[in-house]
Amino acid sequence: DGGITQSPKYLFRKEGQNVTLSCEQNLNHDAMYWYRQDPGQGLRLIYYSQIVNDFQKGDIAEGYSVSREKKESFPLTVTSAQKNPTAFYLCASSNSGTETYEQYFGPGTRLTVT
Amino acid sequence: AQSVSQHNHHVILSEAASLELGCNYSYGGTVNLFWYVQYPGQHLQLLLKYFSGDPLVKGIKGFEAEFIKSKFSFNLRKPSVQWSDTAEYFCAVIPYSSASKIIFGSGTRLSIRP
Repeated sequence: DGGITQSPKYLFRKEGQNVTLSCEQNLNHDAMYWYRQDPGQGLRLIYYSQIVNDFQKGDIAEGYSVSREKKESFPLTVTSAQKNPTAFYLCASSNSGTETYEQYFGPGTRLTVT
Repeated sequence: AQSVSQHNHHVILSEAASLELGCNYSYGGTVNLFWYVQYPGQHLQLLLKYFSGDPLVKGIKGFEAEFIKSKFSFNLRKPSVQWSDTAEYFCAVIPYSSASKIIFGSGTRLSIRP
């Protein structure tokens, strides 16, 4: 059963702590993405990676970091430098070999930092 | 900067009413266009997409959208909504110049009264 998994579904952290969100896909997609979803603001791109060992900053990369050591995995670390980390985080992937770039989304992780 | 505008933040309709959700984008070149839907507690999923050809595209669950290039619009329509259409709807655009980088609108929350 192909798809994208994100874990955990809910995550709670204290201010000042780094936290890593997991994203795994078994769709054999080349490209992977991280978005942040806040009420009334839609989805904003944090980082994306079009190929293993390469990634680019999105629109709101400050306070976040990523790695892409394997094709199927694209973990996101929310660092203590992120000023407003409480949000819903969505991971997505797409097959960059096609012209359509349709993105498939995971179920999301809701992060609460207090 | 490239952007996508969804002017209706929250739409409330009764069952069997007709639906039209507006979407406008700011990019003068060729684009790929999408509507995604997020049902309560579920993954973001693709509703329909436009790449080329017939500007009237049909998606799942009776939804359709019309691409009007001269108006930079891609409005979503459904002739008769059901309670199960309650969800958040996101318009998205991929400008050809941006490779796979997708730009989302802020979303429209649709509430259907039974």
